[in-house]
Amino acid sequence: EPEVTQTPSHQVTQMGQEVILRCVPISNHLYFYWYRQILGQKVEFLVSFYNNEISEKSEIFDDQFSVERPDGSNFTLKIRSTKLEDSAMYFCASSEKGKGSRETQYFGPGTRLLVL
Amino acid sequence: AQSVTQPDIHITVSEGASLELRCNYSYGATPYLFWYVQSPGQGLQLLLKYFSGDTLVQGIKGFEAEFKRSQSSFNLRKPSVHWSDAAEYFCAVVNNQGGKLIFGQGTELSVKP
Repeated sequence: EPEVTQTPSHQVTQMGQEVILRCVPISNHLYFYWYRQILGQKVEFLVSFYNNEISEKSEIFDDQFSVERPDGSNFTLKIRSTKLEDSAMYFCASSEKGKGSRETQYFGPGTRLLVL
Repeated sequence: AQSVTQPDIHITVSEGASLELRCNYSYGATPYLFWYVQSPGQGLQLLLKYFSGDTLVQGIKGFEAEFKRSQSSFNLRKPSVHWSDAAEYFCAVVNNQGGKLIFGQGTELSVKP
């Protein structure tokens, strides 16, 4: 069964450093998402992406964050200058369709980011 | 604003006992509702979903959920819990305008032998 994959599974970085989290969505899916879960808190939406542009972003997704689909398979989340509060589990998801559609989002296993 | 509430942060049940995890939502239109499960070290796996039609939906691993519009609820049930069901369970509603999922706080399920 096709699945969403994410790398790395764990990342430790120093505050102020840039990190790139990588995701490979399911191959025929067109909509891509990033969510995060700070320890002990809800899973929160960050951004959705379709047709090479951001469809929607949350208040969390400020100028320090960016997303990109650099090729036909990868979908990345970049944090330019990490802060302590960026420490969280980051989930990538994809769906065949998205906005306004009855489509299921399939999640990857997550990347646990720790900012020191 | 849309929201999802899971009133129980942690539930412990004995293996073989029945289970019900509660979920309440706040949404103006017809909601699209989901239950996901997260085992330790794993991602979020879809258990079941409700879009329309029959209000009792069947999912994987023997789970089912019932949509009750009058109570704004979408509770997850299983008649007989197995030790492997120990995990965290998330209820979510999709924003039909934007497609993002809005999650509840999650309920951690422990299973006693």
